[in-house]
Amino acid sequence: NAGVMQNPRHLVRRRGQEARLRCSPMKGHSHVYWYRQLPEEGLKFMVYLQKENIIDESGMPKERFSAEFPKEGPSILRIQQVVRGDSAAYFCASSPFSPGLAGVSYEQYFGPGTRLTVT
Amino acid sequence: QKEVEQDPGPLSVPEGAIVSLNCTYSNSAFQYFMWYRQYSRKGPELLMYTYSSGNKEDGRFTAQVDKSSKYISLFIRDSQPSDSATYLCAMIGSGATNKLIFGTGTLLAVQP
Repeated sequence: NAGVMQNPRHLVRRRGQEARLRCSPMKGHSHVYWYRQLPEEGLKFMVYLQKENIIDESGMPKERFSAEFPKEGPSILRIQQVVRGDSAAYFCASSPFSPGLAGVSYEQYFGPGTRLTVT
Repeated sequence: QKEVEQDPGPLSVPEGAIVSLNCTYSNSAFQYFMWYRQYSRKGPELLMYTYSSGNKEDGRFTAQVDKSSKYISLFIRDSQPSDSATYLCAMIGSGATNKLIFGTGTLLAVQP
């Protein structure tokens, strides 16, 4: 059973370019979470998506960042007009269960991450 | 005040030692508690998952939750050099989205 897959693993962009990060959840998982890890900081929640729906984007910066999880294909985190402060490791995690269900476990399984460097 | 506090370390112990890693939290709504291990430049790997207060054991790892004190711990017995990594505690509240709130991580080095 393949784990969470992310690509590219490393991405270098110049200031002002666009960055697209892809995440394929584990087989059978329909809940995707994106987190960002800045140097010397912990992981911070960005957005939670189910297929074709953004459920919680409370951790997303208001501008330049967007996310989607289409019916077919991977989840995409898109950063427009990147700046140096966007340099970080971006992780996605997947989970099989909807929040609020009783009697299930809510583990989230992480991918290897995409390390974005903005020059 | 951060919702989750974790001593960043670094923590250095000799091989075979018992390691104690801890987190405190302020939000009494947290109900699900996890420990992740993250090797350098890798993704977090889920180690332990517990619900509410109590203990859970898995091999050399034991997770404890004390909700009355808002304090969680991870114990590693017979530590090995391969345990050298950053250990992250994470929590989920009773909200609608199950987003994880992480501590900043403790860097552990087990010396052979």
